[in-house]
Amino acid sequence: DAGVIQSPRHEVTEMGQEVTLRCKPISGHDYLFWYRQTMMRGLELLIYFNNNVPIDDSGMPEDRFSAKMPNASFSTLKIQPSEPRDSAVYFCASENAGQETQYFGPGTRLLVL
Amino acid sequence: AQSVSQHNHHVILSEAASLELGCNYSYGGTVNLFWYVQYPGQHLQLLLKYFSGDPLVKGIKGFEAEFIKSKFSFNLRKPSVQWSDTAEYFCAVMRQSGGGADGLTFGKGTHLIIQP
Repeated sequence: DAGVIQSPRHEVTEMGQEVTLRCKPISGHDYLFWYRQTMMRGLELLIYFNNNVPIDDSGMPEDRFSAKMPNASFSTLKIQPSEPRDSAVYFCASENAGQETQYFGPGTRLLVL
Repeated sequence: AQSVSQHNHHVILSEAASLELGCNYSYGGTVNLFWYVQYPGQHLQLLLKYFSGDPLVKGIKGFEAEFIKSKFSFNLRKPSVQWSDTAEYFCAVMRQSGGGADGLTFGKGTHLIIQP
């Protein structure tokens, strides 16, 4: 199994631009999570899905952030417009209900100038 | 809401020294507990987890952790560290929610450096 796949691995953009991060969960996993890691706040849960349905988006910082899961094998996290304080590493993780273990992707390192 | 506190942000040890990393959590209900490791340039990997039963759990690479319910603690230990254990270590909790998964709440992490 290839594990959780995230793209791009690195993204540098200018303030005000739209940024789209992508995630492909492990095949057969029915939960998908988005986390953000910063020096100041550590690792924080942004949103998670179960069977493609958003369950808890209370961690999404503001309306500039949105996440979708159109099917079981793909999810996007979009920031529009991006700001320098959005610079962070964004991780996607997936889980198979019953295994009770989340498997993390390699992350996307985002730098907003 | 739950929270996790890791006592040390940076730990420096020599090879063969014993390791103990502290983790305390705050939550009024039942939780599942995890330790994850992030090696330089790599993604988070699960070291070990506790859900129920024996409070002493063993994980990969010789790590173990003990759940002490009365102290809300889940400390990570290793009797003899190696240079390759240099990494960032994260304690995390997940509230038990009746069979479904939930998001993880992480501590701020402990940066462990092992000197040869």
